[in-house]
Amino acid sequence: DQQVKQNSPSLSVQEGRISILNCDYTNSMFDYFLWYKKYPAEGPTFLISISSIKDKNEDGRFTVFLNKSAKHLSLHIVPSQPGDSAVYFCAASATFGSSNTGKLIFGQGTTLQVKP
Amino acid sequence: DSGVTQTPKHLITATGQRVTLRCSPRSGDLSVYWYQQSLDQGLQFLIQYYNGEERAKGNILERFSAQQFPDLHSELNLSSLELGDSALYFCASSVGSGRGGYTFGSGTRLTVV
Repeated sequence: DQQVKQNSPSLSVQEGRISILNCDYTNSMFDYFLWYKKYPAEGPTFLISISSIKDKNEDGRFTVFLNKSAKHLSLHIVPSQPGDSAVYFCAASATFGSSNTGKLIFGQGTTLQVKP
Repeated sequence: DSGVTQTPKHLITATGQRVTLRCSPRSGDLSVYWYQQSLDQGLQFLIQYYNGEERAKGNILERFSAQQFPDLHSELNLSSLELGDSALYFCASSVGSGRGGYTFGSGTRLTVV
């Protein structure tokens, strides 16, 4: 049961253009969403997050959009740079009363290649 | 350097054997999480410890166990290893609930032959 899905295994864009990475989820209890970036031979690093009370969060070149009705979120990178080439994971968590564990459910990842 | 230290970085072992993966969390972090990443798959949550106590459990096999020690470092024990256990094992830590995101270590690559 894949509660968080990234249906595009890979994406290739030209330097300077916009990269859009997509993520869908099925569990309506998820109320916090995160994006992580992973380079080879390294652990994932936190990129940006969004709470379910918002529909947009921006941090520099990175913007995350949340569409709760569609259970969909996306990460926009503008402009894309060759250094952005990495695997991007979306993740979600849910608050269960007062016993929130912080457990994150990850998607399978999307490999982004930004061509110079 | 993320501040989360995992050892060893690589491990090759035979089927049926037992191994122990070690994780030292970032200074000040009380929560430790273990994740498994198999080939072409996302990160699968295994288990979480908070200040020495088990907090949440994922799809962790009965052959796997973990613990968090008083100094907050954690160990993941994998026994009766099978070929399918070959994967990257990541440890992550956070101060509290992890809602703000975790800090991951660089992982241990386990190869079972």
